[in-house]
Formats: sequence, C-alpha cells, structure tokens
Amino acid sequence: SAVISQKPSRDICQRGTSLTIQCQVDSQVTMMFWYRQQPGQSLTLIATANQGSEATYESGFVIDKFPISRPNLTFSTLTVSNMSPEDSSIYLCSVLGINTGELFFGEGSRLTVL
Amino acid sequence: AQSVSQHNHHVILSEAASLELGCNYSYGGTVNLFWYVQYPGQHLQLLLKYFSGDPLVKGIKGFEAEFIKSKFSFNLRKPSVQWSDTAEYFCAVNALFSGGYNKLIFGAGTRLAVHP
Repeated sequence: SAVISQKPSRDICQRGTSLTIQCQVDSQVTMMFWYRQQPGQSLTLIATANQGSEATYESGFVIDKFPISRPNLTFSTLTVSNMSPEDSSIYLCSVLGINTGELFFGEGSRLTVL
Repeated sequence: AQSVSQHNHHVILSEAASLELGCNYSYGGTVNLFWYVQYPGQHLQLLLKYFSGDPLVKGIKGFEAEFIKSKFSFNLRKPSVQWSDTAEYFCAVNALFSGGYNKLIFGAGTRLAVHP
C-alpha cells in the first residue's frame, strides 16, 4: 500500500486568497489524482496530475482555478485560486496502486473559506 | 459517460441486522468495481474490489459484494452489522478503455447508522 501525506490538514482562508495543498507519497506512483468532497457529498474528480506535463482536468474544473503541479513521481500540489465560500470542501490526493489497481487516499485537506 | 448510482442515501439498522447496499453503474464494457468505507473522522479505506473471476468477492470485516453483470450491479452485503460499522459507504467504478487506466467514478454514498 501507499502512504500519502497531505499538508495542510485543514485551513481557514479568506475570500479571494489562494491556498496550495501538498501531497507526498512514500513510493513512486504512476497515477495521481485530486478529488474534492464537498460537505455531505461524494467524491468528485478534479484532475489527473501528470508528471512533467499539464494536468488533465475534468469537466467543470479549469487550470486557472485549480493549478496543479507534479514535478516528480512522489509529489504533487493543488492550488485553489481566488477562493470563495463555495470552495469550502475536503480536497483529497489519491494514487493508483501499481500492483493492486486500487486507489489509495490521503487523509484530505479540509478547507473553509470565509 | 460512466455513472454510479447508490439507491440508499441513509440506512439505519440495529445491531445484528443484515445489510444490503445497492450499487448500479452505467457502462457496457469491462469494469473494475470497488466499495470504499469512510468511518467518522477518518479517510477513505478500501473495503473490497472486483476485477475478474468469482463474482462474489469478500472483503474486510465480514463484508462481501456480488457482481451481477446482467444487472450492472455490485451490491454490498453483510449478514450481521455491528455498531462499529457506522460509516459512509461509497461504491466506485473504473471503466477500462484501451490504452490504460480510466478515472474512478464514485457514487453519492450511503450513510449507515447502526444502533446498539
């Protein structure tokens, strides 16, 4: 299994500011993803973080709002830009287990925008 | 596009009752199927998965799920629930396309509350 560390675990931010969430994995992985879990809802895929190239975004998510970096096989960042209260959510980093085919999740970053 | 439907949003049971949570998906090709569980205050954990072979799969903590291809279903079952099973349960589907992995799509989740 993969161990995933996310920072920060939670934050309270002001409207209009930006926050960068970091995701560190304890082993090299091919596929990394960023999900959002809004209060009382299921997980929605934001994008696939591609190593060395631009992320692949899902419908409804754009790079200007959620820029993603993935400089190597064990690290990725997600930035939530120009935040509004609607961005209050848990943001989760996940990786695909190479041999198991399952997704492993970090504990998430709980973001509250005032 | 793929979609996953979980029919029960909230389920309340007494301890020792049997559990079945419904999950249906929409995709006609090859799929991998998963059930994840999220205990209060904890992160998502894999409960069980189906890739191929025996359509009845057994997971952790006495859970099992049956893949019925003709019904596009992957229902989760447990014969006798415990208070510690109180959690939110998510069904997820990964459709396999040529060229590699596709994204994992989650259902809306089912909140299970088990009363002693």
